[in-house]
Amino acid sequence: DSGVTQTPKHLITATGQRVTLRCSPRSGDLSVYWYQQSLDQGLQFLIQYYNGEERAKGNILERFSAQQFPDLHSELNLSSLELGDSALYFCASSASPGNSGNTIYFGEGSWLTVV
Amino acid sequence: DAKTTQPTSMDCAEGRAANLPCNHSTISGNEYVYWYRQIHSQGPQYIIHGLKNNETNEMASLIITEDRKSSTLILPHATLRDTAVYYCIVRVYGSSNTGKLIFGQGTTLQVKP
Repeated sequence: DSGVTQTPKHLITATGQRVTLRCSPRSGDLSVYWYQQSLDQGLQFLIQYYNGEERAKGNILERFSAQQFPDLHSELNLSSLELGDSALYFCASSASPGNSGNTIYFGEGSWLTVV
Repeated sequence: DAKTTQPTSMDCAEGRAANLPCNHSTISGNEYVYWYRQIHSQGPQYIIHGLKNNETNEMASLIITEDRKSSTLILPHATLRDTAVYYCIVRVYGSSNTGKLIFGQGTTLQVKP
């Protein structure tokens, strides 16, 4: 158990809909990362938040957005869903990203199926 | 961030040591080498990391060459449960960096009975 909690574990929704994925980081971790893993793609970095502020952006679509709340949990919002958005979405967390030896731990992921 | 090169796949006999190589010839002085593995769509699992010196923990050993251009992850006694995709990643630290991990394609290790 990494200590990173993601909900829901599985989600099936229709095209055009909007979903929210939730992540609770490890206790004390200030940084949250979101990744997407499709069947034909590797692990793609989407976005990172640190202590409530966006820190880095990767290959995140404009239809997707994220935020980190004062209690440090994070949500990834996916809207106008398309079939190609079906994927495993991982959340990860770490302490301050500027410190060496700061390991990133991953949750077990949220399976999103768009039908 | 420095790019890494890993073999696409490897086999290992159960009970033997698994040696997974990684090339990172463009690594910079402030970049660490990290290893993660992913077992069948589970969340990536942290294994070990290092900067210059060899490292060992309860899961594995990490051997980094003196010029830091390559490294080897060693699983001393591989079991069937070690079958997974293994990722070698270089990661930049520093207050101006994000510390994010950029995953490549990794090495699929198949441990065989």
